[in-house]
Amino acid sequence: GENVEQHPSTLSVQEGDSAVIKCTYSDSASNYFPWYKQELGKRPQLIIDIRSNVGEKKDQRIAVTLNKTAKHFSLHITETQPEDSAVYFCAASIAGTASKLTFGTGTRLQVTL
Amino acid sequence: GAVVSQHPSRVICKSGTSVKIECRSLDFQATTMFWYRQFPKQSLMLMATSNEGSKATYEQGVEKDKFLINHASLTLSTLTVTSAHPEDSSFYICSARARGGQETQYFGPGTRLLVL
Repeated sequence: GENVEQHPSTLSVQEGDSAVIKCTYSDSASNYFPWYKQELGKRPQLIIDIRSNVGEKKDQRIAVTLNKTAKHFSLHITETQPEDSAVYFCAASIAGTASKLTFGTGTRLQVTL
Repeated sequence: GAVVSQHPSRVICKSGTSVKIECRSLDFQATTMFWYRQFPKQSLMLMATSNEGSKATYEQGVEKDKFLINHASLTLSTLTVTSAHPEDSSFYICSARARGGQETQYFGPGTRLLVL
C-alpha cells in the first residue's frame, strides 16, 4: 500500500519567515495530494491540494509543489504569522471509487514573534 | 458548504460498555465516509471506509467485530465501539466525500473517547 513520509516533525520559524514541509510517497499511482492543518483538539482543515496533472499551485501565502518523477511534494508558507502555528499533515490518494487518504506523520509548526 | 458533524464531541465510559458515534454530512450527500483514529501527537490512521448501503471495508489490523460501522443513509454513518477498553481511548474522526464530487474529504470535529 501507499506510504507517506513527512519531514520535519517539528519546525520553528520567526514571524514573517517562510516555512517548508516536505513529503514523499511510494505509490506512483497516487494522483491526489491534499494538505491539512490541524489545531489542537480540532478537526483537520484542508488548506490546499494538488493533482498530478499540475506541478504547482498557489493560494495567497500558501503554495504546493509536486515532483511526480521523484514522488515528492512540498508545502510552502510565506510570511508566516502566529496563527499559522498548528500541526500540518500531507496526504496522498489514488483517485477512484475509494480515494483513501494515507497521511504523513505530521509537522508541528511553531511561529514565534 | 461541505459541513460534517459528529456526535458526541466527547464521551467517558466504563470499561466493557459500548459507545456509538454518529457522523453526519449536513449539506451534502456522502456516498463514502471514512473513520479515523488519532492518538495524542500522532497522525490520523484510517480504520475503515464506509459506503452507503454496503458493508464497510476495514483496514488491516482493525477488528470489524469490535468497531461496528453502519452507513444507512447518504448523510449518516455510525461507529460503535463494542466492549470498550482503556486502550480504545482515542480521538475518533470521520470524514465524508461528496456524492459525485472529487476526492476532497471533509472532516468532522472528532469525538474524544475516554474509557475508564
